[in-house]
Amino acid sequence: QVQLVESGGGVVQPGRSLRLSCAASGFIFSSYDMQWVRQAPGKGLEWVAGIWYDGNSKYYADSVKGRFTISRDNFKNTLFLQMNSLRAEDTAVYSCARGRTHLSAWGQGTLVTVSS
Amino acid sequence: DIVMTQTPLSLPVTLGQPASISCRSSQSLVHSDGNTYLSWLQQRPGQPPRLLIYEISDRLSGVPDRFSGSGAGTDFTLKISRVEAEDVGVYSCVQTTQFPFTFGEGTKVEIK
Repeated sequence: QVQLVESGGGVVQPGRSLRLSCAASGFIFSSYDMQWVRQAPGKGLEWVAGIWYDGNSKYYADSVKGRFTISRDNFKNTLFLQMNSLRAEDTAVYSCARGRTHLSAWGQGTLVTVSS
Repeated sequence: DIVMTQTPLSLPVTLGQPASISCRSSQSLVHSDGNTYLSWLQQRPGQPPRLLIYEISDRLSGVPDRFSGSGAGTDFTLKISRVEAEDVGVYSCVQTTQFPFTFGEGTKVEIK
């Protein structure tokens, strides 16, 4: 059974950092590209970042470029999102999703709240 | 960036009746490989998104056949042939043809 479980969210002050994790199981993690997608309260879905199956290519939304870094550990079946210089507008539920041509599995998400 | 525009944003439906949601992209979603990477997601209240349809019209395994997708180029449609109570939620189209991936605003389906 495919499972994606995010962790690492919480309340953080503006300008601080947070690292999210997404633990994958039930499929061959190293064979899949992976994405981070967020949803601000009451808003629609916004793609944040993506990484190829082997970690060799990474893509970012303009809104997070230079502040967020996506990475993965294929030995530990885990996807990461390092978030630096956080802003109030980064407040959202962050979810990891499997795939690139289509997002075939999603985690429940972890809530990040940026507030002083 | 490709802008995805969904209509309507709210869709009250009678149980057992059909429903239709439109999604229009600001540019063609045909990839250089010839495929069109347009998907439909369902998000039930309190749940994460769930993929229903990919590449315009392919249903993910386990998705009821009352859901169907159609379209080409820049105009796409999700249809529910007979709405059931479990179909309540927000439906979003998403293009994964090019980065950055972009989503429609979402259509809230509710029972009248």
